[in-house]
Order: sequence, then C-alpha cells, then structure tokens
Amino acid sequence: SQKIEQNSEALNIQEGKTATLTCNYTNYSPAYLQWYRQDPGRGPVFLLLIRENEKEKRKERLKVTFDTTLKQSLFHITASQPADSATYLCALDSTDSWGKLQFGAGTQVVVTP
Amino acid sequence: GAVVSQHPSWVICKSGTSVKIECRSLDFQATTMFWYRQFPKQSLMLMATSNEGSKATYEQGVEKDKFLINHASLTLSTLTVTSAHPEDSSFYICSAPRGGGGRSSYEQYFGPGTRLTVT
Repeated sequence: SQKIEQNSEALNIQEGKTATLTCNYTNYSPAYLQWYRQDPGRGPVFLLLIRENEKEKRKERLKVTFDTTLKQSLFHITASQPADSATYLCALDSTDSWGKLQFGAGTQVVVTP
Repeated sequence: GAVVSQHPSWVICKSGTSVKIECRSLDFQATTMFWYRQFPKQSLMLMATSNEGSKATYEQGVEKDKFLINHASLTLSTLTVTSAHPEDSSFYICSAPRGGGGRSSYEQYFGPGTRLTVT
C-alpha cells in the first residue's frame, strides 16, 4: 500500500532562515502532490500543488520541488517568520477516486524570533 | 478563495447519544465532499467520500452504520455519529475539492473542523 513519510520531529528554526521539509512516498506514482498548512485546532489550508511533470513550483516565499525518481518532495519556506509556525502536511492524490487525498503525518515548524 | 464551513465547531455529548455535524461549501457547489478524522498529533485519516445524490463510500474499517453521511444538496453534507462512545472523541474535518472529474489536480478546501468530546 502507498505510504507517505514526513519528518515527525519538529523543525526549530530562527527567523529569517530557510526551513526545508521533506515528504517521501513509496508504492505509488502520484499525478500530483500538494502541501497544506495546519494550525492547532484548525482545518488544513492549501498552499501549493505540483504536478508530476513539474520540477519546481513557487509561491511568494514558498518553494516546492518534486522528484518522481526519488519519490520525494521538498518544501521550502524562505525568510521564515514566526507567523510561519505551524504543521505542514503533504498529500498525494489517489487512484481510487477523484479528489481523494492521502496525507502524511505532518512536520511541525517553529520559527523563533 | 473558496470557503467551507462546519457546524458546530465543538460539541460535547453523552455516551450513547447521536451527534450531527454539518459541512457547507459557501461559494461553490461540491458534488463530492470528504470527511476526515484526526487524533492529537496524528495525520488526517479519510473516513468517507460523500457524494451528492448517491450513497457515501467508506474507507476500510469505518463503520457506515455508525457514521451516517448524507449529501443533501450541492452545498451541504452531514456526518452523524450515532451512539457515540468516548473513543469517538476526535477532531472531525470535512473538505471539498473544486474542479471537474477525472484524475485532475485540484486543491481541497477544508472546513475549520469540529471537536467532538463524548463523555
């Protein structure tokens, strides 16, 4: 069965630095991969989507890469700010049905001033 | 951006009672909605797919008679937890994707979640 792995340890980073998160997957070839942000007690918020034929995607201070050979996606937050502190989830589409996503467990990011 | 609402945001109920959670897409129509459950420090686990005009499809291990789903309209799906027990206490979140059919790539819009506590 398909498996998604994200670093379970919290990432502590100083304000202004770049945070890099990893999402690895196995037993699957997704058509696209998405990244979401989740704050405590809230639903996830969509950030970025990258398709299998795209290597990199950017949105403001966020950058996502997608390596289908390594079966890995990297998520970067540049010039991090304390407001970026949250849990970041990666999600893969499913072959079962349209719109169905499987989520990783998420990585918590803590940005200190 | 698209907005999905949930009601209530939190609920406390006694063991054995039933609780209904509503999920609404406020500015778009959603023929499909998804229901997730999330325990503390864990990932979102998909429970079921809610389909407008047809029966919901449940993930393996999810009891369809316990978690009743009704997709009443193109903007409303409800999840009813029947005969709730303390182990059903969790954070329930719905989502709705936008876009057409097929294996297209569309982001999902999530509701704010409902915290259910069963005493």
